[in-house]
Amino acid sequence: GAVVSQHPSWVICKSGTSVKIECRSLDFQATTMFWYRQFPKQSLMLMATSNEGSKATYEQGVEKDKFLINHASLTLSTLTVTSAHPEDSSFYICSAQGLAGSHEQFFGPGTRLTVL
Amino acid sequence: DAKTTQPPSMDCAEGRAANLPCNHSTISGNEYVYWYRQIHSQGPQYIIHGLKNNETNEMASLIITEDRKSSTLILPHATLRDTAVYYCIVRGNTDKLIFGTGTRLQVFP
Repeated sequence: GAVVSQHPSWVICKSGTSVKIECRSLDFQATTMFWYRQFPKQSLMLMATSNEGSKATYEQGVEKDKFLINHASLTLSTLTVTSAHPEDSSFYICSAQGLAGSHEQFFGPGTRLTVL
Repeated sequence: DAKTTQPPSMDCAEGRAANLPCNHSTISGNEYVYWYRQIHSQGPQYIIHGLKNNETNEMASLIITEDRKSSTLILPHATLRDTAVYYCIVRGNTDKLIFGTGTRLQVFP
């Protein structure tokens, strides 16, 4: 199957700083990428959908100015958590979907963010 | 997207078949049933999906009832590495995967 990577795999930062997480599709072009957040012992919550070259669509309750998403190429999407606070500590997971009409989504390994 | 209902947890002996049920009584005609699993602290892994016919691949089998209101994921010979949370997701044309609470499968020796 297709491979999706995330970088970094884990990050610790101070409160008030910004953190950028990268999501890459390594062997296919992803027209659409998705960002999820998962708190301990909870399910994945979809945060936003990004299509290459256009603005991301955020789910209800997700602050677009706090979670900046850029999908500048068909193989890379980034999520920037701006002015991070301890409550933003979570497991962030991306997924990538190939050409339109393809149903499969491939997930990255996740990035664990800890804000001190 | 239609909601799904799964038991919160199940146990299975190693080497036995694991049968994970899922109810999706409000599924629409053009919605697929997807199964993913998530091993602790990893990203979800695709297992299988189907529309109305039963499906089988190298990982599992998916049995969908004729009325499509429920389905069962079958892991024919469970191993300890199959211990994970299994998510049944109904997905329509929006292309979004909306995860429910899933079933935590514990495979024991």
